[in-house]
Amino acid sequence: DAKTTQPTSMDCAEGRAANLPCNHSTISGNEYVYWYRQIHSQGPQYIIHGLKNNETNEMASLIITEDRKSSTLILPHATLRDTAVYYCIVRHATSGTYKYIFGTGTRLKVLA
Amino acid sequence: NAGVTQTPKFRILKIGQSMTLQCTQDMNHNYMYWYRQDPGMGLKLIYYSVGAGITDKGEVPNGYNVSRSTTEDFPLRLELAAPSQTSVYFCASKDSSLANEKLFFGSGTQLSVL
Repeated sequence: DAKTTQPTSMDCAEGRAANLPCNHSTISGNEYVYWYRQIHSQGPQYIIHGLKNNETNEMASLIITEDRKSSTLILPHATLRDTAVYYCIVRHATSGTYKYIFGTGTRLKVLA
Repeated sequence: NAGVTQTPKFRILKIGQSMTLQCTQDMNHNYMYWYRQDPGMGLKLIYYSVGAGITDKGEVPNGYNVSRSTTEDFPLRLELAAPSQTSVYFCASKDSSLANEKLFFGSGTQLSVL
């Protein structure tokens, strides 16, 4: 599985969009990008995933560059409850590879 | 729907003791995982299983053993506990369908080895 690189920490003002980048320059054509977050000491929570097209759900939007070497998770209107560690994961989504390898993530702090 | 249940929530072990961390899920998920998280760090994959009777090593399997005799249960065994195994342990499960990519996590077991 391709490795990912994320900034260690970021701050965002409450109500503003939080844009969390992830670099996955060694990603292969059939590897998906996943985002999870971990609030305080709870178990991580799934946010969104995508292959090459941009994706949006009720929680966030995922923008993947055309060359797929990087992506950005967007929380459109960050709230204090979005303060968490955000993990970007790249994983082969077809049968044969089932491991989810988490990196160190980005610690997002939403400021009042 | 209980989801993924881990027991115990907290445990203190002495060096050299052994214990089993329990994990059970009621979602009929084939895939199950054990992670550990050291303070201020990300999650490290210990072992995983793609179905009953099938287990495989993750990133940091040394000092641990697992078994998967049923779909629901995936216990993690620590033999000869060491201070380096002080960590929070998370169990997770996932449906085998490619259309459902969500990992569901338990609330964790905080283990201290003194």
